[in-house]
Amino acid sequence: AQSVTQLGSHVSVSEGALVLLRCNYSSSVPPYLFWYVQYPNQGLQLLLKYTSAATLVKGINGFEAEFKKSETSFHLTKPSAHMSDAAEYFCAVSVNTGFQKLVFGTGTRLLVSP
Amino acid sequence: NAGVTQTPKFQVLKTGQSMTLQCAQDMNHEYMSWYRQDPGMGLRLIHYSVGAGITDQGEVPNGYNVSRSTTEDFPLRLLSAAPSQTSVYFCASRGGQAYNSPLHFGNGTRLTVT
Repeated sequence: AQSVTQLGSHVSVSEGALVLLRCNYSSSVPPYLFWYVQYPNQGLQLLLKYTSAATLVKGINGFEAEFKKSETSFHLTKPSAHMSDAAEYFCAVSVNTGFQKLVFGTGTRLLVSP
Repeated sequence: NAGVTQTPKFQVLKTGQSMTLQCAQDMNHEYMSWYRQDPGMGLRLIHYSVGAGITDQGEVPNGYNVSRSTTEDFPLRLLSAAPSQTSVYFCASRGGQAYNSPLHFGNGTRLTVT
């Protein structure tokens, strides 16, 4: 069965600093990978997705992620953090077997300080 | 479009009580699902449905029932609430497969069982 591991339940950065949120996946077949963001008291919304086209995927709000098969990773980055980026971020994986279900990681809370 | 609407936003139950969490979507999505979100555990799939009349179990189905009589509605029933069911519950829907259609989430129901 597929799974994802997010390293670090909390990540703190200063405004303007690089954001790096880590996600490693486990799947015996080619995966589809996603990053979702959750702002306080809201549901999750899609940030970006990898579906076997380009390995570098650009999402909303300046975020991007790179699929690295050799490292089984799909880390999320943003060159310069903004206060509004403070939220919880979830990595998720799905595979193309039957009707695709998403399996979520445990989440990483991003804290941005001025 | 309202998207995915969940009611109520907050609920407090006593152990042994029953209740139904409501979920409705107006996007004509085939796929609907219920997740629970607990600190440090991410989102875990409770039940899902791929269309009216079709439901299936997710990772953590025990203690919960679902039915899907219409495309729009997917209620989640707690038959006899337990403190372990204290959580935030999210309903989500999707119009196609994971690789080409994001999950649309409601804003959640925060349930406390005392």
